[in-house]
Amino acid sequence: SQQGEEDPQALSIQEGENATMNCSYKTSINNLQWYRQNSGRGLVHLILIRSNEREKHSGRLRVTLDTSKKSSSLLITASRAADTASYFCATDAGGAQKLVFGQGTRLTINP
Amino acid sequence: AAGVIQSPRHLIKEKRETATLKCYPIPRHDTVYWYQQGPGQDPQFLISFYEKMQSDKGSIPDRFSAQQFSDYHSELNMSSLELGDSALYFCASSLDPGREETQYFGPGTRLLVL
Repeated sequence: SQQGEEDPQALSIQEGENATMNCSYKTSINNLQWYRQNSGRGLVHLILIRSNEREKHSGRLRVTLDTSKKSSSLLITASRAADTASYFCATDAGGAQKLVFGQGTRLTINP
Repeated sequence: AAGVIQSPRHLIKEKRETATLKCYPIPRHDTVYWYQQGPGQDPQFLISFYEKMQSDKGSIPDRFSAQQFSDYHSELNMSSLELGDSALYFCASSLDPGREETQYFGPGTRLLVL
């Protein structure tokens, strides 16, 4: 990825545990978005956080944004087998229309 | 709710052939984006259109062209296909980016070049 990196690249946890994924980016942004992708399928939009926001919640998802460190984290609480997927962060790279994606974290939830 | 529609979902072509991918955005969305995702890679932006005009351009090869039509659907034309063009091609749509930043993705077209 030209913009950011995600950490870890792969994460395997037990069902019911919490999963945390991190994303770093390089340029200034107006917003950062998280997407989920099941194997070889489309990208599903999860949540958008703006540069003036520090934390946002949506159901079992919690996203934080630290613009001083140019990083974001996605927390999935009480994980389920259906959460198994790849998770990507994407930024607008300073207001451009295009999204610039991180490399993704492959999350596996073991039953 | 209506989503982004892409066709075909799967496409197999030979080297040096041409391919046309179609994208139908969510109703009332006037902005369309194309992304390419190689195996095990993150999606890479190719090109976008707003109100039928090209609005941004990324790493799109000269062999590829795209346009947005009066009904806002878009087509990605790919010529002289190469093995390396094998990938998942996504279309996304949004409202005017000045009003809505969220991009909604279609299911993708999986292109295999043999």
